[in-house]
Amino acid sequence: AQTVTQSQPEMSVQEAETVTLSCTYDTSESDYYLFWYKQPPSRQMILVIRQEAYKQQNATENRFSVNFQKAAKSFSLKISDSQLGDAAMYFCAYRSGIMDSNYQLIWGAGTKLIIKP
Amino acid sequence: NAGVTQTPKFQVLKTGQSMTLQCAQDMNHNSMYWYRQDPGMGLRLIYYSASEGTTDKGEVPNGYNVSRLNKREFSLRLESAAPSQTSVYFCASSGPLFNSPLHFGNGTRLTVT
Repeated sequence: AQTVTQSQPEMSVQEAETVTLSCTYDTSESDYYLFWYKQPPSRQMILVIRQEAYKQQNATENRFSVNFQKAAKSFSLKISDSQLGDAAMYFCAYRSGIMDSNYQLIWGAGTKLIIKP
Repeated sequence: NAGVTQTPKFQVLKTGQSMTLQCAQDMNHNSMYWYRQDPGMGLRLIYYSASEGTTDKGEVPNGYNVSRLNKREFSLRLESAAPSQTSVYFCASSGPLFNSPLHFGNGTRLTVT
């Protein structure tokens, strides 16, 4: 079975600095999809960025980018120019590319990101 | 653009009471989900529905039932609440592609005393 591990329960960064959140996963599949979701104190879960395993190019969304290392099974999230509004729980998630996987996501336990003004 | 609407936002139950959490989406999604979120454990899938009329058990289905009333609505029922069901519950929906993101409701904080 697949697993997702976020080894950093909490991270802090100075406003305007860069921070990297770690995520590793375990799978024997070659076709899969990876996601980062953000959960601010409002509790709303929001998609931050996604990566298809078949794509070698790392995904980017404005200040958010990933470092996808398929061989190492690593999917870290880099946040550049951190802003106070980035303070949230961040969850890494894995979805199998196998048709009968029922589109289920496997979730990490989350990393709490604190932004220091 | 309502997205996924989930009610209620908060609920307190006594052990043994029953309740239904309601969820509706207006994005014409086939897939809908119910998750629970507990501290330090991420999200765990309770039930899943691939389309109207079908439901499947997830990782933690015991103590819950679901109904996919139509394409829009997917409800979660606790028949006899237990303190172990104290949690935050999320409904979500997604489009048909593997890389389709989940769209979440705002969650229900349930406390069972």
